Amino acid sequence: SQTIHQWPATLVQPVGSPLSLECTVEGTSNPNLYWYRQAAGRGLQLLFYSVGIGQISSEVPQNLSASRPQDRQFILSSKKLLLSDSGFYLCAWSTGLTNYGYTFGSGTRLTVV
Amino acid sequence: EDQVTQSPEALRLQEGESSSLNCSYTVSGLRGLFWYRQDPGKGPEFLFTLYSAGEEKEKERLKATLTKKESFLHITAPKPEDSATYLCAVPYLDMDSNYQLIWGAGTKLIIKP
Repeated sequence: SQTIHQWPATLVQPVGSPLSLECTVEGTSNPNLYWYRQAAGRGLQLLFYSVGIGQISSEVPQNLSASRPQDRQFILSSKKLLLSDSGFYLCAWSTGLTNYGYTFGSGTRLTVV
Repeated sequence: EDQVTQSPEALRLQEGESSSLNCSYTVSGLRGLFWYRQDPGKGPEFLFTLYSAGEEKEKERLKATLTKKESFLHITAPKPEDSATYLCAVPYLDMDSNYQLIWGAGTKLIIKP
């Protein structure tokens, strides 16, 4: 069965420090991969998505970047965190427009101090 | 512009008090509507997919219905464990001809014992 792993669960980082969040998927090949950010009281905001290795599409300009070094690995990074980068980050995968939409990881709560 | 709006933002019910959550959408050529449940600090979990007006899906105390402009999530005789944020989403085709999801901001449901 397919599973998605996302870590760490919580992270507290100082302003100006780098960031690396990792997401891996098991049990499927060539998935579409997504990074979302969720702010309190607001809908999920799509940050990046990838339809294949090395293929990254960015939905909004920001202080973040994404990479997909392997088929089932998706990484969210920043060279220097800002206070506004705080939030709940979710990784998700899909195999196109399926009956289930997307399957989400458990999320990372990032607090920039 | 494609849009998904959920109401109310929050709903407090007594245990056993039935009610409905609303998800209205403006998307040309609906290709499905998804309902998810999200518990605090976790990723959204899939509940239902609806494809055409008049369609209904049920799961335990939840029933989702769809019209041409909106979807309702009916909750019958809820229990405290039904407390969560309920999210709806609809697909749209982006400029790269990939399907993405537009998300509502969610309804936070609180069931008091």
